[in-house]
Amino acid sequence: EDQVTQSPEALRLQEGESSSLNCSYTVSGLRGLFWYRQDPGKGPEFLFTLYSAGEEKEKERLKATLTKKESFLHITAPKPEDSATYLCAVQAAGYSTLTFGKGTMLLVSP
Amino acid sequence: DAGVIQSPRHEVTEMGQEVTLRCKPISGHNSLFWYRQTMMRGLELLIYFNNNVPIDDSGMPEDRFSAKMPNASFSTLKIQPSEPRDSAVYFCASSPTRQGFIGNSYNSPLHFGNGTRLTVT
Repeated sequence: EDQVTQSPEALRLQEGESSSLNCSYTVSGLRGLFWYRQDPGKGPEFLFTLYSAGEEKEKERLKATLTKKESFLHITAPKPEDSATYLCAVQAAGYSTLTFGKGTMLLVSP
Repeated sequence: DAGVIQSPRHEVTEMGQEVTLRCKPISGHNSLFWYRQTMMRGLELLIYFNNNVPIDDSGMPEDRFSAKMPNASFSTLKIQPSEPRDSAVYFCASSPTRQGFIGNSYNSPLHFGNGTRLTVT
């Protein structure tokens, strides 16, 4: 059974204080790993897809990396508007759906 | 593009009542997904359709839940009878291709609506 575990469950940062979120996964053949951002009262919003170990993608202050067992979402010099829940999901070989982790709730204080 | 549209945004009902949630996917997207989100279990897939046909309904919790997609621009998720443990946020998502299909749009991301918050008392 595919499993996705995200840590920490919650993270509080000061504005400008860089950190990383972790997504550990077990899947029978990874087709893709997805990162989403979810704001309160909204649906998840797509950020990145990573396909193979060693791959990296960046968007503004966010950088996602992938190894064979986990993915990291690095947040550099965060701002209060980066506050949200960040969700990680995997797609397994032979399947057409995503398995999501429970997310990391990030709060960035000014 | 208006994005995925869900209605209602909030639904409060009494145990035993029928509940119908509605979704309009993004035009041109041929895959549609229903997810349920709770604090305890996170986001769980209930069912997904491709070209209006149900492909995988293994996540539907029990016979009280049913989903239909009569055409490419509309889907419903029905709960009858509803129970307090059904309280959750229900999300609809769409994508332009069948995920897992080996092609140029192989791993198309899901586009989510803003959900329906269901409370069953």
